Amino acid sequence: DQQVKQNSPSLSVQEGRISILNCDYTNSMFDYFLWYKKYPAEGPTFLISISSIKDKNEDGRFTVFLNKSAKHLSLHIVPSQPGDSAVYFCAARDPYGGATNKLIFGTGTLLAVQP
Amino acid sequence: KAGVTQTPRYLIKTRGQQVTLSCSPISGHRSVSWYQQTPGQGLQFLFEYFSETQRNKGNFPGRFSGRQFSNSRSEMNVSTLELGDSALYLCASSLDQTEAFFGQGTRLTVV
Repeated sequence: DQQVKQNSPSLSVQEGRISILNCDYTNSMFDYFLWYKKYPAEGPTFLISISSIKDKNEDGRFTVFLNKSAKHLSLHIVPSQPGDSAVYFCAARDPYGGATNKLIFGTGTLLAVQP
Repeated sequence: KAGVTQTPRYLIKTRGQQVTLSCSPISGHRSVSWYQQTPGQGLQFLFEYFSETQRNKGNFPGRFSGRQFSNSRSEMNVSTLELGDSALYLCASSLDQTEAFFGQGTRLTVV
């Protein structure tokens, strides 16, 4: 059962425009969400996170929005740059088992930013 | 400050052998988690160690094991390797209950 879902396997955007990456989750107990960027054969790079007590968090060109009622979060990248081309993973921290840093990942979305 | 360091970067092993991977977390981070990435299954959680104790474990067979040392460095071991164990193994370190930072990974190929 996929608890964190990224339904778009790929997304293509023009340089300078906005990229919007979406993520849905099924477990209302999730309380902390993260976005990572990943290049092939490398480890994921942390981008931005959001706690369930917030609905928005910004860091430079990256903004994450959380809609708890819809169990949906999105990552906005503005403006998009060719160097942003990578696979983006949404992740949620496992709420069970006490204190833990266990993350449950979505399947990823490949973003291609066209020059 | 230095990031998460994983060694080796690449490994080729034969079926039936065993392998040990190493991870040095960011200085001051006591939580180390391990993940397996494969094309078919995505990023799957293996286990987490905190202050030398296994705090959480994923759904992997007992052939996968790990440990953490007093300096927070961690190792994971896979015994009796199978072809399906070929994957990118990733280590992540965290202060605790905060964002996790990943190493570059170890690419394991089982032939």
